[in-house]
Amino acid sequence: DAGITQSPRHKVTETGTPVTLRCHQTENHRYMYWYRQDPGHGLRLIHYSYGVKDTDKGEVSDGYSVSRSKTEDFLLTLESATSSQTSVYFCAISEGHSGNTIYFGEGSWLTVV
Amino acid sequence: GENVEQHPSTLSVQEGDSAVIKCTYSDSASNYFPWYKQELGKGPQLIIDIRSNVGEKKDQRIAVTLNKTAKHFSLHITETQPEDSAVYFCAASSTGGFKTIFGAGTRLFVKA
Repeated sequence: DAGITQSPRHKVTETGTPVTLRCHQTENHRYMYWYRQDPGHGLRLIHYSYGVKDTDKGEVSDGYSVSRSKTEDFLLTLESATSSQTSVYFCAISEGHSGNTIYFGEGSWLTVV
Repeated sequence: GENVEQHPSTLSVQEGDSAVIKCTYSDSASNYFPWYKQELGKGPQLIIDIRSNVGEKKDQRIAVTLNKTAKHFSLHITETQPEDSAVYFCAASSTGGFKTIFGAGTRLFVKA
């Protein structure tokens, strides 16, 4: 298994509260990603990073921000959680960007009530 | 925009039968096509992949075929076993990994 650790694995939070999901990798891969998975939508990219302090938006970035201060860590923040952000969040990594395999973490289950 | 369509959304087969999952993609620049298996409560795991310079690739009971002209690629699982039951995702990627587009997934049930 790729060396990816997500925390927390499960969280229930209230609408309007901030939430931060953490991703830690031990593979020294340059690229890191946050996806969300919802029924009928597959995996959708939220944000990605191509280096320390280098990040960009994916297709569903509204309401989310990210930070990458170290190669191994990529944080996803929901500034003010909403019920529509109830989902399973996956961190992923890849070595390069030219058709490289993406490896996924085990997921973080977030429920916003 | 770029899109990957995956069919069927649900597939039920008898143990020992074959299963086929099909995907079509829209971006003609796509040149890398991975397949992932996701078991309940876990993250997707790569099971096989194919690049645009080949038409078929096999790994034991799993094979993937690619038709670049028609923009189709398929996953074939032979001699299915109950442990093959999972959700399978296809994906298409062009020059950037961050442009990987995933299909919506196929839930495969293998009945013993």
